[in-house]
Amino acid sequence: NAGVTQTPKFRILKIGQSMTLQCTQDMNHNYMYWYRQDPGMGLKLIYYSVGAGITDKGEVPNGYNVSRSTTEDFPLRLELAAPSQTSVYFCASSHGQGESRIYNSPLHFGNGTRLTVT
Amino acid sequence: DAKTTQPTSMDCAEGRAANLPCNHSTISGNEYVYWYRQIHSQGPQYIIHGLKNNETNEMASLIITEDRKSSTLILPHATLRDTAVYYCIVSRFSGGGADGLTFGKGTHLIIQP
Repeated sequence: NAGVTQTPKFRILKIGQSMTLQCTQDMNHNYMYWYRQDPGMGLKLIYYSVGAGITDKGEVPNGYNVSRSTTEDFPLRLELAAPSQTSVYFCASSHGQGESRIYNSPLHFGNGTRLTVT
Repeated sequence: DAKTTQPTSMDCAEGRAANLPCNHSTISGNEYVYWYRQIHSQGPQYIIHGLKNNETNEMASLIITEDRKSSTLILPHATLRDTAVYYCIVSRFSGGGADGLTFGKGTHLIIQP
């Protein structure tokens, strides 16, 4: 299994440009998440999804959109890039289903996309 | 989710046991303690979790006090590759609620050769 794969690894955007950060997982996980991590800080949840067709806002959703058309893929869209969106973006997944797996299914993270907006 | 308090940084000699403390005095009865680590620039990696009993796996041991207000992650024989930021997280669910898991600033563990 490749686990959670994120592309691209690095990207530089100009203010106002748009882009999509790709995330795919091959573990048949139901739950998927997008986090951002600013330098020297912890992670903050942007959006999450509990299954195909279902998405919900996290702590910091403004400026982002997501979709979940398949179990495997959970792309994150930036429509009008701003310098405040300069960050490292991590996608994660977990199994989630079933009583015990809600507690006992750890998050699997990708290796991140490093985005700079100038 | 309950808040956690961890030291900002710790040093440990290679080959010795690394003991990372975490305080979670406001933990609720149905909240688990999860530990993740983040090696430089990589995505966080799950280590271990527990509810009230001590737990052990191939990576580490987790000791939770009887009142559950604190816990200690033990890396039994630390290597240089264990240098990382370690996050102690308290949550009812492994994925967190609507705000996800609260990854604070964690403890920067530095293994010295």
